[in-house]
Amino acid sequence: NAGVTQTPKFQVLKTGQSMTLQCAQDMNHNSMYWYRQDPGMGLRLIYYSASEGTTDKGEVPNGYNVSRLNKREFSLRLESAAPSQTSVYFCASSHRDRGEQPQHFGDGTRLSIL
Amino acid sequence: GNSVTQMEGPVTLSEEAFLTINCTYTATGYPSLFWYVQYPGEGLQLLLKATKADDKGSNKGFEATYRKETTSFHLEKGSVQVSDSAVYFCALTMTGKLIFGQGTTLQVKP
Repeated sequence: NAGVTQTPKFQVLKTGQSMTLQCAQDMNHNSMYWYRQDPGMGLRLIYYSASEGTTDKGEVPNGYNVSRLNKREFSLRLESAAPSQTSVYFCASSHRDRGEQPQHFGDGTRLSIL
Repeated sequence: GNSVTQMEGPVTLSEEAFLTINCTYTATGYPSLFWYVQYPGEGLQLLLKATKADDKGSNKGFEATYRKETTSFHLEKGSVQVSDSAVYFCALTMTGKLIFGQGTTLQVKP
């Protein structure tokens, strides 16, 4: 059972470089999410996709773009990386965008911006 | 707005000790409540959940009761093990999008 797969697991970028973080799920889930995790701040929602073909901003969307490529895949793009975007990024999915549905998380991408 | 507050960590316990991690929430309606656990180097895993007042979620010896009157969802375990060492996150959702507390690190020593 792969669940939610994120690539890459680690990445170091220079300020101003661009990068796309990939996420794929094999659970036939409708909803997908991108979070960032910073020390002492829990996880904060960057963008989400309630269903294929739709995307919406979360709490901290500035500096990011997303693409829901198909039902399985949801990518996160940093167009011009900044040191403030150094973080651990998690992708998650759930059956549907409803309160009682638990989210399933990938193992994270650890991103450092120099 | 909606928010979740957890007790500050780290919490350090000896094996077989009783665990309580406090969690309180603020919400405009009736959220679903979750506890997630994150082991080192891994993503978050759902530990337990409760979807309405007075529900008790339980899993792997952990329990939490949804208390609407005190807006709380405290995590408890009667006897912790070294393998329970991890970061624990309390979270709520009204519409499917999770709002997390800041996380509480638990260290269990043999």
